[in-house]
Amino acid sequence: QKEVEQDPGPLSVPEGAIVSLNCTYSNSAFQYFMWYRQYSRKGPELLMYTYSSGNKEDGRFTAQVDKSSKYISLFIRDSQPSDSATYLCAMTPGGTSYGKLTFGQGTILTVHP
Amino acid sequence: DTAVSQTPKYLVTQMGNDKSIKCEQNLGHDTMYWYKQDSKKFLKIMFSYNNKELIINETVPNRFSPKSPDKAHLNLHINSLELGDSAVYFCASSPSNRGFSGNTIYFGEGSWLTVV
Repeated sequence: QKEVEQDPGPLSVPEGAIVSLNCTYSNSAFQYFMWYRQYSRKGPELLMYTYSSGNKEDGRFTAQVDKSSKYISLFIRDSQPSDSATYLCAMTPGGTSYGKLTFGQGTILTVHP
Repeated sequence: DTAVSQTPKYLVTQMGNDKSIKCEQNLGHDTMYWYKQDSKKFLKIMFSYNNKELIINETVPNRFSPKSPDKAHLNLHINSLELGDSAVYFCASSPSNRGFSGNTIYFGEGSWLTVV
């Protein structure tokens, strides 16, 4: 079993829809949780960053972390065609191993006009 | 200005060759990384350096050797390339190697390596 599970999709939604992306994990030591967006032939770009449990909102994006369930989510409101990309969840225990991110496989999202 | 830049972006080479990928960051960060993304899109860490000191060294064949001449540069040298080395290699950097709010890890654009 992988440490981080993420449904690869693909996920196709109409413009304006609310998108829900999720990851589950097994390592209870994870403390920092991130969502990256990766466009084709580009590097991952950080979207959201959350420490421990809770919610965080930034514009159309909301990240949720439920450590008791080992479950994290990213919600995209009013989705746009420019949101079409692969979304990667990532997490790390922190400490001196902070940079050792464990990634999910990524979910391919397409938002069609 | 590109924050984390790596060269070359595309590299096609034959089995058995030796090749290097260079990375530079102009963010003033202390920590740099090499990640590998395989054909199934999984990103996995290979190495991490903090102020030129190796701090993370995952289970990677000895044919892969990172070198950090200064904290702004982290190069990856690969000896005796094999077909299975074909992947996308990402360089990344962060202000620190320790966890704290805002310690964002920035990735470069990637280097697509194809071994034939």
